[in-house]
Amino acid sequence: DIQMTQSPSFLSASVGDRVTINCKASQNINKYLNWYQQKLGEAPKRLIYNTNNLQTGIPSRFSGSGSGTDYTLTISSLQPEDFATYFCLQHNSFPWTFGGGTKLELK
Amino acid sequence: QVKLLQSGAALVKPGASVKMSCKASGYTFTDYWVSWVKQSHGKSLEWIGEIYPNSGATNFNEKFKGKATLTVDKSTSTAYMELSRLTSEDSAIYYCTRRRATPGDYWGQGVMVTVSS
Repeated sequence: DIQMTQSPSFLSASVGDRVTINCKASQNINKYLNWYQQKLGEAPKRLIYNTNNLQTGIPSRFSGSGSGTDYTLTISSLQPEDFATYFCLQHNSFPWTFGGGTKLELK
Repeated sequence: QVKLLQSGAALVKPGASVKMSCKASGYTFTDYWVSWVKQSHGKSLEWIGEIYPNSGATNFNEKFKGKATLTVDKSTSTAYMELSRLTSEDSAIYYCTRRRATPGDYWGQGVMVTVSS
């Protein structure tokens, strides 16, 4: 199975900050990497698919990049509604696997 | 609009089975795979497997083979997952989600399963 190592696990930031979250795959996943946001008590919401494609309706302050084994989610200017947990998902090969999550908290 | 409506929470005894549903609306059910994802309390997500309603084809995480059974009812646009021989390790929230080319654009609201005597 492909292991997805997500960092950091916790991140404290302020409104207006630029933040980055990283996922490292144990092998090349050919840009088949999605990013999700999950708020407490809710289902995950897809933000980015296939590394850098913004899901319809998601604000442009969210962006993704990467290739090979290393991928990044960037939030350019944090808004109050962005404080949540973020997960990456590789769908290059079965079984699909998720990163361990990054909890983004208000500093 | 696209909706995946899951069945309600379940409290089940160890050793028993539970079957949950995921009713799709707002799109052509047979055109998308339906995946199931487990989220244990306070933990990350695990992909269980998926089923293609048009053919019944499945892909599974080896970890969940023998634990999860996936079926569909095309007449009602509903996908089902049955979990068997339940233990406390199966207590979790289970989500259904769909995919065509890429996974997880829409998700159900989740089903909380609690295994307790």
